[in-house]
Amino acid sequence: AQTVTQSQPEMSVQEAETVTLSCTYDTSENNYYLFWYKQPPSRQMILVIRQEAYKQQNATENRFSVNFQKAAKSFSLKISDSQLGDTAMYFCAFTLGVTSGTYKYIFGTGTRLKVLA
Amino acid sequence: AAGVIQSPRHLIKEKRETATLKCYPIPRHDTVYWYQQGPGQDPQFLISFYEKMQSDKGSIPDRFSAQQFSDYHSELNMSSLELGDSALYFCASRRGGENYGYTFGSGTRLTVV
Repeated sequence: AQTVTQSQPEMSVQEAETVTLSCTYDTSENNYYLFWYKQPPSRQMILVIRQEAYKQQNATENRFSVNFQKAAKSFSLKISDSQLGDTAMYFCAFTLGVTSGTYKYIFGTGTRLKVLA
Repeated sequence: AAGVIQSPRHLIKEKRETATLKCYPIPRHDTVYWYQQGPGQDPQFLISFYEKMQSDKGSIPDRFSAQQFSDYHSELNMSSLELGDSALYFCASRRGGENYGYTFGSGTRLTVV
C-alpha cells in the first residue's frame, strides 16, 4: 500500500521570502505521479504542480518548484517570492499511473502555510 | 474554461435523512471521482467511475451509493445520514488515459444536524 507523509502541520514565511514544504511517500511501484494541491480558505482544491516519477528533471511552475528525490522517496515544494495569496493548506498527493489502476489519489495530511506581511 | 460543477454548494440535513449530491464534469472528461474531506482532514477517496461504470471503490459506507449517467454527470446518494457524515464532498474529473491530474469542483458542504 502507498502512503504519503507531510511532517509539517503548520509553517509561516515572510512575504517575498522562500519556503519549502516537505513530503515523503512510500511505494514499491516504479510508475507513479506526484502532485501538490493548494486549498485556500475558499476550500477549492487547486493544482499547483505535478511530477512524473520517470522524469528526473524537477518540475517548475513560475514561483513553484519541486525537489524530487526518487531514491529517497521525497517530494518537496519550494515557493519562491512568497505572496499573501499563497496562504493556504497544501496537500501532497500520490497516484499510480493510469495503466496500474484508476488513478485515485492518496493525500498527505497537509501543511498549513501562512504568509506574513 | 469550463470547470467541474457541483451542486448544491451547501446542504443541511437532519439525521436519518437522505441527500443527493450532483457533479457535472468538464466536457469530454469521462472519469469522475468522489472524495470526502472531514473537518481538518485530508480528502479521502470514496468512489470513481469511468465511462459510466464503477472503476474503483474506497472507504465509502454502504449507506452511500453513486452512479455516472449517460451524459457523464455523477450523483452521490447518501441515506440514513449520521452526524459524522458532515464534511466537504469533492467531485473531480479527468479524461481517461491522461496523467495531467484532476480538476476538482468547488465541493458541496454537507452539514448533518
